[in-house]
Amino acid sequence: AQSVTQLGSHVSVSEGALVLLRCNYSSSVPPYLFWYVQYPNQGLQLLLKYTTGATLVKGINGFEAEFKKSETSFHLTKPSAHMSDAAEYFCAVTPDRGSTLGRLYFGRGTQLTVWP
Amino acid sequence: NAGVMQNPRHLVRRRGQEARLRCSPMKGHSHVYWYRQLPEEGLKFMVYLQKENIIDESGMPKERFSAEFPKEGPSILRIQQVVRGDSAAYFCASSGGQPVGQPQHFGDGTRLSIL
Repeated sequence: AQSVTQLGSHVSVSEGALVLLRCNYSSSVPPYLFWYVQYPNQGLQLLLKYTTGATLVKGINGFEAEFKKSETSFHLTKPSAHMSDAAEYFCAVTPDRGSTLGRLYFGRGTQLTVWP
Repeated sequence: NAGVMQNPRHLVRRRGQEARLRCSPMKGHSHVYWYRQLPEEGLKFMVYLQKENIIDESGMPKERFSAEFPKEGPSILRIQQVVRGDSAAYFCASSGGQPVGQPQHFGDGTRLSIL
């Protein structure tokens, strides 16, 4: 089974500062990777995904993530934080690519706070 | 609204009662997943269904929990004889096409509270 580690359950940045949210996965065979955002009392919204191809993936709201196979990482970044980015962010991975099951394994989440 | 629809949004039950949570997937999606979110934790997979079939129930508790996705109508997650520990947010997600690698689209969840 996969495991997903998100370093830092809480991250605080000032408005306009760089956002860096970390995600590492356990499998030696690269899975498919996703970042989701959750606003209070809502479901999860897909930010971006990596399946194949270019390892730097661009998503919505100015976020991007880079898949690094050698580091088994998929860190999420945004050059300049906005107040509206305050939310909880989840990294998720699928089983290895040989699986026919589509379940997602989630990290425990990182709560992002943006200070004015 | 073409998104994943879950109802009710909030459900309160007393210990020992039954809870039924409903999920209508996005139009055209045939894969449904249920996840449970406990406070301060990420989402935990419970069950994966296609129409009339349970594909993977490895995350379901062995007792009291069941799920179905009938040919017609929404997917149902059923919890019998609820206990305090069942209090959580339950999310449904759906996807289309081949399951692995397809992004899952989530509903807004059902928040279950057990008195």
